[in-house]
Amino acid sequence: DSGVTQTPKHLITATGQRVTLRCSPRSGDLSVYWYQQSLDQGLQFLIQYYNGEERAKGNILERFSAQQFPDLHSELNLSSLELGDSALYFCASSVGAVPYEQYFGPGTRLTVT
Amino acid sequence: GQQVMQIPQYQHVQEGEDFTTYCNSSTTLSNIQWYKQRPGGHPVFLIQLVKSGEVKKQKRLTFQFGEAKKNSSLHITATQTTDVGTYFCAGELRGGSQGNLIFGKGTKLSVKP
Repeated sequence: DSGVTQTPKHLITATGQRVTLRCSPRSGDLSVYWYQQSLDQGLQFLIQYYNGEERAKGNILERFSAQQFPDLHSELNLSSLELGDSALYFCASSVGAVPYEQYFGPGTRLTVT
Repeated sequence: GQQVMQIPQYQHVQEGEDFTTYCNSSTTLSNIQWYKQRPGGHPVFLIQLVKSGEVKKQKRLTFQFGEAKKNSSLHITATQTTDVGTYFCAGELRGGSQGNLIFGKGTKLSVKP
């Protein structure tokens, strides 16, 4: 158990819909990272928040957005969903602002039908 | 864009054989991290290498960072069935303001007992 929690575990939705994935970092960690893992693309970094502020951005689509709240939990919002958005979405956390020794949550498996 | 290439994509070994996965970056890295993901699980941090030419060992695992800080390797001696999983390298770009990790696509290791 990494100490990072993610909900829900599984999500099945239709194309065009919007979903929200939630992540709670390990106690004491200030950074939250979101990753998308699909079979052909591996682990793709989406975005990082540090202590409530966006710190780094990767290959995140405009249809996706995220935020980190004062209690440090984070939400990833995916809208206008497409079939290709089906993937495993991981949240990770680390103590500081730099991406060292990240602890990953169990992931949310999103299936878009 | 920046890439971290990892080979081989798959490796099947007999229990007791050695295993090596290689990671190559198109640009100089600030550091490189290695993660292991068991089947159905989430990535777990193994180690970080920072210095040019650095070598670190963890029991049967040996990690190396190249002199030019563009490549790295993970070697497992005498594999066991518990080593099964996908091994990812992840590089942080030197001097970049991105602060994010670029993951290789991973090497999936299977071990035949």
